[in-house]
Amino acid sequence: EPEVTQTPSHQVTQMGQEVILRCVPISNHLYFYWYRQILGQKVEFLVSFYNNEISEKSEIFDDQFSVERPDGSNFTLKIRSTKLEDSAMYFCASRQGPMADTQYFGPGTRLTVL
Amino acid sequence: GNSVTQMEGPVTLSEEAFLTINCTYTATGYPSLFWYVQYPGEGLQLLLKATKADDKGSNKGFEATYRKETTSFHLEKGSVQVSDSAVYFCALSVVYGQNFVFGPGTRLSVLP
Repeated sequence: EPEVTQTPSHQVTQMGQEVILRCVPISNHLYFYWYRQILGQKVEFLVSFYNNEISEKSEIFDDQFSVERPDGSNFTLKIRSTKLEDSAMYFCASRQGPMADTQYFGPGTRLTVL
Repeated sequence: GNSVTQMEGPVTLSEEAFLTINCTYTATGYPSLFWYVQYPGEGLQLLLKATKADDKGSNKGFEATYRKETTSFHLEKGSVQVSDSAVYFCALSVVYGQNFVFGPGTRLSVLP
């Protein structure tokens, strides 16, 4: 069964460094999403992406965040200058099309900012 | 705004016990409702869903009914197994398939 994959599974970085989290959505899906879950808290929506542009973003998704689909398979989340409070589990999700109501999630990347 | 509230965990049950995890929501319009499950070390997996009032979602012995009058979507299973130990997330989507709003998750531990 096709699935969303994410790499790395765990990323440790120093405060102020840039990180790129990678996702490979399900191949025929058109809509892509990033969510994050700070330890012990809710899963929170960050951004949605369709047709090579951001379709919606939350207030969490400020100027230090960016997303990109650099080729036909990858979907990345970049954090330019990481802060301690960026430490969280980051989930990528994809959805097949406008008539699909289900998002399929990857296993997550645990980001630890020291 | 849109929000989801779940019962606080952790929930610890013996094998074959009856499970209920409560979920209530606040939303504009008519959301679709979902239960996702996260097994240890894995991502969020769709467990079941319901897209309109009175719909019942079911999968792997789990059930949940979309109750518009009580704005609830409680998850139930008649007889839990050790392999059901996981974190369960209730979620809604107000705009079809978009921008899910999750509850805080409920950790279930099933003891043999």
